[in-house]
Amino acid sequence: EVQLVESGGGLLKPGGSLRLSCVTSGFTFTSAWMNWVRQAPGKGLEWVGRIKSTTDGAATDYVAPVNSRFIISRDDSKNTLYLQINSLTPEDTAVYYCTTDFMGPPRGFGYFAFWGQGTLVTVSS
Amino acid sequence: DIQLTQSPSSLSASVGDRVTITCLATQDISNYLNWYQQRPGKAPKLLISDASTLEAGVPSRFSGSGSRTEFTLTITSLQPEDIATYFCQHYDHIPYSFGQGTRLDLK
Repeated sequence: EVQLVESGGGLLKPGGSLRLSCVTSGFTFTSAWMNWVRQAPGKGLEWVGRIKSTTDGAATDYVAPVNSRFIISRDDSKNTLYLQINSLTPEDTAVYYCTTDFMGPPRGFGYFAFWGQGTLVTVSS
Repeated sequence: DIQLTQSPSSLSASVGDRVTITCLATQDISNYLNWYQQRPGKAPKLLISDASTLEAGVPSRFSGSGSRTEFTLTITSLQPEDIATYFCQHYDHIPYSFGQGTRLDLK
């Protein structure tokens, strides 16, 4: 059974930083591309960024507004995905989900087939 | 970047009703579109991929259609457990994006 478990959220002050973690199991993490998606309270879904597999260079892509403040990384030895968020603003307040992307053929990229339960980040002074 | 616009933004329907949600893309995305269902307090769930392929375990009352810039999610006979918010998502190229969502509730 595929499982994704996020952690690291909480109440933080503007200007601060945090690192979210997503521990995975039940699939070959080393081969998988992974995403972060966030959802502000009462709002829609926003794709934040993606990291390819280490085999594919662990290349990252981000939505433009967060490009300089968000860093996605992975530790294949721990089957864990990370999201570092710097210079937090109240607009970063959201539930952050990790999701799978490309998991190997026959399906290609872009399918968010598995999701974690999310971790809530609240930014307030 | 590709923008997705869903309509309506909210919808009230009765059990047994046929429900249709539309997703319009600002560019031709072929069939590179998925639909998700998000029940209150839960993570989204992939319902339909490639515009019209039902995911395993999804009831057959759900269907998707469309291509290029216009897509539709249809529920043929609404059930109480279908009460949720529905999102479309494209994967034509990076950046991926989602529609703003359609909130479906019972009349």
